[in-house]
Order: sequence, then C-alpha cells, then structure tokens
Amino acid sequence: DQQVKQNSPSLSVQEGRISILNCDYTNSMFDYFLWYKKYPAEGPTFLISISSIKDKNEDGRFTVFLNKSAKHLSLHIVPSQPGDSAVYFCAASGGATNKLIFGTGTLLAVQP
Amino acid sequence: NAGVMQNPRHLVRRRGQEARLRCSPMKGHSHVYWYRQLPEEGLKFMVYLQKENIIDESGMPKERFSAEFPKEGPSILRIQQVVRGDSAAYFCASRDGGSYEQYFGPGTRLTVT
Repeated sequence: DQQVKQNSPSLSVQEGRISILNCDYTNSMFDYFLWYKKYPAEGPTFLISISSIKDKNEDGRFTVFLNKSAKHLSLHIVPSQPGDSAVYFCAASGGATNKLIFGTGTLLAVQP
Repeated sequence: NAGVMQNPRHLVRRRGQEARLRCSPMKGHSHVYWYRQLPEEGLKFMVYLQKENIIDESGMPKERFSAEFPKEGPSILRIQQVVRGDSAAYFCASRDGGSYEQYFGPGTRLTVT
C-alpha cells in the first residue's frame, strides 16, 4: 500500500526553465510534508517543507504547493540549474511519532 | 554544528554474521530514526528512538533486527545472522523535539555476500 506516490520516475528540464515535481498521497492524517534531494551514495538532504495548514511555502528558488482537497503537492524549482540534477523524494508525516513515509522518487536531469 | 554521522559507510558481511551500524545524531537532537533503502526502492521507516527508549518499531522486521539509543553514545542498529536480502543502504536521521524536519546521515551501505 503506497501511501505516498511520485508517478514520474524521471524528468528532464532545460537549464533556466522551471522544474515541477509532483507527489500524491492517500492518507488524510498526514499533516506535514517535506521534500528531500538525494545524490547517489549520499544521504537525503532536506530542501523545504509545508504544514497542512498552509498551501504554499517558498524558500529561494524552491516553492512547495499543497492542495489538501486533491491530496497533492508539488515542488517548483525556478530557475533550474545543472546542480539541481538529483533524485527528489517527497515525504509525509502524521501522528505522534513523525515518522516519514517516502515516495519512490523522481530523477531530475537539468540539461545545460 | 556537525551533521548526522554514520559509520561505517560501507560494511561487507558474510551470510550468518552480525552487522552493527552506528549513528550519532546532530548535536542537541534527541530523536533518532532509522530508514532502509532497498535497491530500486524508496526509503522505508524502520524504527524511532529517543534516549534509552524505543518509541516506534513498527517498521522493523520481527526477527534478527534490534535497535538502541543509550544514554551515552551513538544509536546502534544491529542485524543478527544477516541474509542476502538485508543488503541495502541504511540511513539514520535525527530531529530536535520542536520541529518536524529530519536530517539524514550519509548512510551505511551493507553488502551481504
């Protein structure tokens, strides 16, 4: 039972354009959502998060949008840079333990 | 402020041996989580610990796996009698009590031969 889904295994974008990564979830008890970036052979790096009481959070080039009614969130990166090329994981948490439930990741390739 | 530290980074064990993975959380963080990433899959929660207590081990296999976070020293994930299917990357994450964000270590890559 995959509670957090990233339906696009990969995405290719030109440098300078916008990258949009999508994530869907099924459990309405999730109340906090996070995006992580991961390079091969390294641990995930925290990027940005959003609480379920908000619908948008912005940090520099990164913006996360949350649509609770659709159980959908997205990460926008603008402008995209070659150094953004990595696997991006969406994660959700809820309940007392705050354990993270991860999606399967989207490999972003930013072409120079 | 040093990040989450894990050692060893790579560990090779023969079937039937024990594997011990260590995690030192970020300074000031008392909440530790272990996750496992099998080949071609996402990260899966295993266990959540606070100092000297296991809070949630719902993601741990029932046999051969155990975890601890003693009052002094790092958190340890122990796998007894390893099998080939235990080959994976094991990540530790920590957070402080007032936030949701978890910060990850570089991982330990376990290979069982």
